[in-house]
Amino acid sequence: QVQLQESGPRLVEPSETLSLTCSVSGGSISRYYWSWIRQPPGKGLEWIGYIYYTGITNYNPSLKSRVTMSIDTSKNQFSLQLKSVTAADTAVYYCARDSPPKEYWGQGTLVTVSS
Amino acid sequence: QAVVTQEPSLTVSPGGTVTLTCGSSTGGVSSGHYPYWFQRKPGQAPRTLIYDTNNKLPWTPARFSGSLLGGKAALTLSGAQPDDEAEYYCLLSYNSGRVVFGGGTKLTVL
Repeated sequence: QVQLQESGPRLVEPSETLSLTCSVSGGSISRYYWSWIRQPPGKGLEWIGYIYYTGITNYNPSLKSRVTMSIDTSKNQFSLQLKSVTAADTAVYYCARDSPPKEYWGQGTLVTVSS
Repeated sequence: QAVVTQEPSLTVSPGGTVTLTCGSSTGGVSSGHYPYWFQRKPGQAPRTLIYDTNNKLPWTPARFSGSLLGGKAALTLSGAQPDDEAEYYCLLSYNSGRVVFGGGTKLTVL
């Protein structure tokens, strides 16, 4: 059974960079797409982007200038960096396996942007 | 920039039938948008119910079905149960590479 687990700082200061890692267990990260999704408090889900195991990426245009995703197949992990964060980036961040049928999700981690 | 629209809230009686829809600001939704439906309950990660318009996952209850209806993607719940009370999100993929969630429908079983 594939399992995903997000990790990273839960509190980030405004203007800093949010960094999260998703560790994949129970299966290989290779030959799949992997994505990040977030949900701000009281709002809906927002797709941030995906990364293929080869490193090819596709980002949400509204976040593209601030987002970088990377993948480390040797560690079975992929990562998200979101720079210049503001309070509007406060959200529960989920990682998920993006390849159809998108059935594997992490439990999510709440990241708060505050000084 | 595509906007995906869903009913903000719907109410269904226990045992009743309800249809949630998912529309696109760019025009009709087709199978080429590979519509997905996710169920999200408070404190839990989203759970995929339907993929590629009408395909179910092993855990998808038989009372849920996906389809295309009137130019929109649709999720029909037949025989609603209290446990179905949740938020439901659709997801559409566009030829441009853009992937967009709908705003979500809060379903109340009452």
